[in-house]
Order: sequence, then C-alpha cells, then structure tokens
Amino acid sequence: GESVGLHLPTLSVQEGDNSIINCAYSNSASDYFIWYKQESGKGPQFIIDIRSNMDKRQGQRVTVLLNKTVKHLSLQIAATQPGDSAVYFCAEKVGGATNKLIFGTGTLLAVQP
Amino acid sequence: GAGVSQSPRYKVAKRGQDVALRCDPISGHVSLFWYQQALGQGPEFLTYFQNEAQLDKSGLPSDRFFAERPEGSVSTLKIQRTQQEDSAVYLCASSLGTQNSPLHFGNGTRLTVT
Repeated sequence: GESVGLHLPTLSVQEGDNSIINCAYSNSASDYFIWYKQESGKGPQFIIDIRSNMDKRQGQRVTVLLNKTVKHLSLQIAATQPGDSAVYFCAEKVGGATNKLIFGTGTLLAVQP
Repeated sequence: GAGVSQSPRYKVAKRGQDVALRCDPISGHVSLFWYQQALGQGPEFLTYFQNEAQLDKSGLPSDRFFAERPEGSVSTLKIQRTQQEDSAVYLCASSLGTQNSPLHFGNGTRLTVT
C-alpha cells in the first residue's frame, strides 16, 4: 500500500535508541489526549492516552508527557524497534458530549536497523 | 474479538456516481465516528453517532455526504454525485461511549474518484 507519510515531519532513529515524538495541541479546553500509530494501509491504532489532570502516564515501552502550560504533548518510545516504524498522530478531545477527536498532522518515525 | 470492520476495502467510482461505504463497529460500542483522511494528512472528523442518533455532523463537507445508523449498530456513509476531491480514505471508529473512552478504528475504505 502507499505510504501515509508523504510530506510529513520525519524522525529517523537507530534501532535500540529511544524516540521522542512531539505534538503541539490547539485548544486549552482539551481534556483528553491520545497517541495513535498508523502503518501504511491500516487505520490508526491506539497506543496510550492521558487525561488533562495528569502530566505523565507510562505503558509498555511508551510514556506520554503532557504540559498544559505550553499545550505540548510528547510520546517517548524506549528501545525503538523496526516494528515501531509508522506515522504517529496525537489527538485531542476538546470536551463536551461528543468525544470526537481532533488529530494533529502526524510524524513519520523511521527506524534504521 | 473482532475489531471495527469496513467494506469495501477499495472503491473506484466515476465522477458523478453515488457510493455507499459500510462500517461494522465493535459489538457493544455505543459511539460511532466517521473520519476522512487525505494522503499525508491526519484524519478529519466527519460525523458522530450515539446509538442511532446522529449527534454531530458538523464535519460533513457538503450536502452530498450523508450518514446513517438506523439500528444503532452498522453505519453507512453515502456520497452522492462523487467529485474528484472526495478521493480519500474514509475511516470508521467506535468507542464505548463513556467519557474519555478511546476510539478504535477500522482499516478504512480507500475511495478513488476518476
């Protein structure tokens, strides 16, 4: 399938290194944030989420950091593997009843073996 | 368990034709969302259902786009008189519907209008 990564910011890392992907969100009223991973030809896959009353959350090999002061979100991936190569999107939920997510532009993570 | 299922996987339509895209959400998921994703872009919100009620259709780009979920489960996104700018991947997602429950996406339908 074709790449979803055309014209996206790209982060290139060596296998085994740690990766940090950054995201600036737009709305100070956003109360919930999710990181998604999207491989070519597939839909976005949930990685980790965080609520606005937290500033850090850890999962398996991944950590999300939230800085509400500067409206910044980051995803840290420990010991990056070739299977981590994909486009990563942050998404924010503005609030209210809808629960709809607003997605950022995405970052292409390229892991070099 | 099965995830979100979308069909067809690929659809080619001639300009002016009508198309219908189907989404089978995860069983028991109350909320259903449609998104449009252009190549190299993030998904853009189209519309949202809670059970059979369409609560938000603010993202539908024109009145040629119509979505329904008559029994609160399967949903169909219909595009009438397709135009070349409609070419994109159409993603469906579902969630439990509780506050701050994550969206789970299908693999999408790639629509190409020629």
